[in-house]
Amino acid sequence: DIQMTQSPSSLSASVGDRVTITCRASQSISSYLNWYQQKPGKAPKLLIYAASSLQSGVPSRFSGSGSGTDFTLTISSLQPEDFATYYCQQSYSTPPAFGQGTRLEIK
Amino acid sequence: QVQLQESGPGLVKPSQTLSLTCTVSGGSISSGSYYWSWIRQPAGKGLEWIGRIYTSGSTNYNPSLKSRVTISVDTSKNQFSLKLSSVTAADTAVYYCARWGGISSYWYFDLWGRGTLVTVSS
Repeated sequence: DIQMTQSPSSLSASVGDRVTITCRASQSISSYLNWYQQKPGKAPKLLIYAASSLQSGVPSRFSGSGSGTDFTLTISSLQPEDFATYYCQQSYSTPPAFGQGTRLEIK
Repeated sequence: QVQLQESGPGLVKPSQTLSLTCTVSGGSISSGSYYWSWIRQPAGKGLEWIGRIYTSGSTNYNPSLKSRVTISVDTSKNQFSLKLSSVTAADTAVYYCARWGGISSYWYFDLWGRGTLVTVSS
């Protein structure tokens, strides 16, 4: 099975900051990488698919990049509603594993 | 628009079988090329994929749970279901149903239910 590792596990930032979260796969997954946002008590929400494609309705301040084993999610200018936990997930093979999550907190 | 809703007992005794149903509303479970999945999340922890089913009945399961999991579909009721046998406290989690769809060869969970908490306790 492919293992997904995110860093950092938690991050403190301020409104307006540029933030980057990293995800690493245990083997090459080409661009088969998705990002989700989860707020407390809510289901995850798809942000980015295929490593860099923005899901419909997601603000353009969110962007994704990478291929192979290393990927990043960038939020260009943090908004109050962006404080949440973010998960990467590989869709290269079954089982479709998730990273352990990155909790983004207000500084 | 299409919505998913989980239902089932919130409390299950150890060694018994957890049973949940996901009802698809606002559209047919058989339309489009989607797989219908179950994912769980223990309190304060990450997401674990349990398995998925296509409307043909074809299934895939997480190897870590495969011996205890059965996912089935009832297209006449627009529902799919999860059964997890021989549960322990480690199976206590919020259980989500989700739609696995995509574009070209890129697949993702694009629609989720609100989740339902299942506690395993005597």
